[in-house]
Amino acid sequence: DIQMTQSPSTLSASVGDRVTITCRASQSIGIWLAWYQQKPGKAPKLLIYKTSSLESGVPSRFSGSGSGTEFTLTISSLQPDDFATYYCQQYNNYFTFGGGTKVEIK
Amino acid sequence: EVQLVESGGGLVQPGGSLRLSCAASEFIFSDHYMNWVRQTPGRGLEWVGRTKNKANSYTTEYAASVKGRFIISRDDSKNSVYLQMNSLLTEDTALYYCARGSGSLNAWGQGTLVTVSS
Repeated sequence: DIQMTQSPSTLSASVGDRVTITCRASQSIGIWLAWYQQKPGKAPKLLIYKTSSLESGVPSRFSGSGSGTEFTLTISSLQPDDFATYYCQQYNNYFTFGGGTKVEIK
Repeated sequence: EVQLVESGGGLVQPGGSLRLSCAASEFIFSDHYMNWVRQTPGRGLEWVGRTKNKANSYTTEYAASVKGRFIISRDDSKNSVYLQMNSLLTEDTALYYCARGSGSLNAWGQGTLVTVSS
């Protein structure tokens, strides 16, 4: 099974900060990686697919990069609506999710 | 707007069975793969399994943790997907989501809570 490891598990930041979340795969997954945002009491929402493709309607301050085993999600200027938990997911071999990164207010 | 609505969750004893349903609307259901994903505070998000579309013979695939106990089916005439859960274990306690997609999951329901406890 492919394991996905996210870091950090918690991140404290302020509005306007540039935020980067890392996701590492236990083996190469090519570019088959997605990122989701989840707010309390809500389902996950797809932000990015195929490593760097922005889902329709998602603000351009979100971006993704990487390949193989190391990937990043970047929020260029954190907005109040962005305080949430973020998950990566590989879909190279079935599906596995990372453990999540909670972005909280500093 | 794409909508997925799960139902059927509840309290069940260990060893029992439960059937979840997910009703879809506002998209061509028969074209899409449909998945079940569960979430717990301790184990996070876990893919349970999926059913492919008609073009891919409605093939089903499962996570190792549920294979042999859970069965996914779909009825394209009703725009619905189902999760039959048998031989339930306490560790199957979770919020269960249905989600659309063959790779990334671009639509999710609101979830239905399953509690396995005596």
